[in-house]
Amino acid sequence: GQQLNQSPQSMFIQEGEDVSMNCTSSSIFNTWLWYKQDPGEGPVLLIALYKAGELTSNGRLTAQFGITRKDSFLNISASIPSDVGIYFCAGRTLFGNEKLTFGTGTRLTIIP
Amino acid sequence: DTGVSQDPRHKITKRGQNVTFRCDPISEHNRLYWYRQTLGQGPEFLTYFQNEAQLEKSRLLSDRFSAERPKGSFSTLEIQRTEQGDSAMYLCASSLRGLAGEGSYNEQFFGPGTRLTVL
Repeated sequence: GQQLNQSPQSMFIQEGEDVSMNCTSSSIFNTWLWYKQDPGEGPVLLIALYKAGELTSNGRLTAQFGITRKDSFLNISASIPSDVGIYFCAGRTLFGNEKLTFGTGTRLTIIP
Repeated sequence: DTGVSQDPRHKITKRGQNVTFRCDPISEHNRLYWYRQTLGQGPEFLTYFQNEAQLEKSRLLSDRFSAERPKGSFSTLEIQRTEQGDSAMYLCASSLRGLAGEGSYNEQFFGPGTRLTVL
C-alpha cells in the first residue's frame, strides 16, 4: 500500500539538541497528523493539523501543515531521553474517508 | 484505563491455522479501525466500521481475512489459513466522529496491538 515519504529515516542526536523531520506526499491531504510509537506499543497522537500553513505546538513539539498540502514538518526542541522512539506522519485525503495513510517513520535515538 | 485494548498482545501460530484477535474501543467511540504494521514500516489501513457497519475494506484484506463488529462495540479480526506473510503487528484504533467537526479529540486513538508470528 501507499506510504508517505519521511526523512530522515533515522537520527542520532545528543540530549538537548533540536530535531527536525519532514513528510512528503505525491497527493494532497486535508489533515496531517503526527504520531509517536514506542517499541511494542501502538502509535500515540502528538499533533493534528487541519489547515494549509497551520503551525501548531504541543509542549516542545511544533508541527506545520505545508502550504502545498503535500507536506508536513515536525520539530522537537531541547530533546530529552523520553523523546526516543519512532515518529510517524499520517495524512487523510481531501475527498477521502477515514483511513489514514502513514509515513515510513523517523527513528530518533539519543546518544548519551 | 479507558483506552483502546487488544487481546491477545502476542500470538504465535503455525502456518495454516486460524487466529482471531479482539479489539475493545474507547467506550463512546463509534468508529473502529484495523491496521497492519510490518517491521520497519508504518501502519497500513485494513478496514473500518461505523457502529456495526463495515464501511471500507483495503485491497490488503484478502478473502482469508474477515472483521466483524456485531453490536457496534468490540470488534474481531479473523485470519484463516495463516501464512508466514501474515506475520505483523495488528493495530486497532477508534474515534468519535460526531457533529463537533475537526479536532484532535476526533482523531484515531490506537491500542497496543497484537503481534502475530506465523511459523
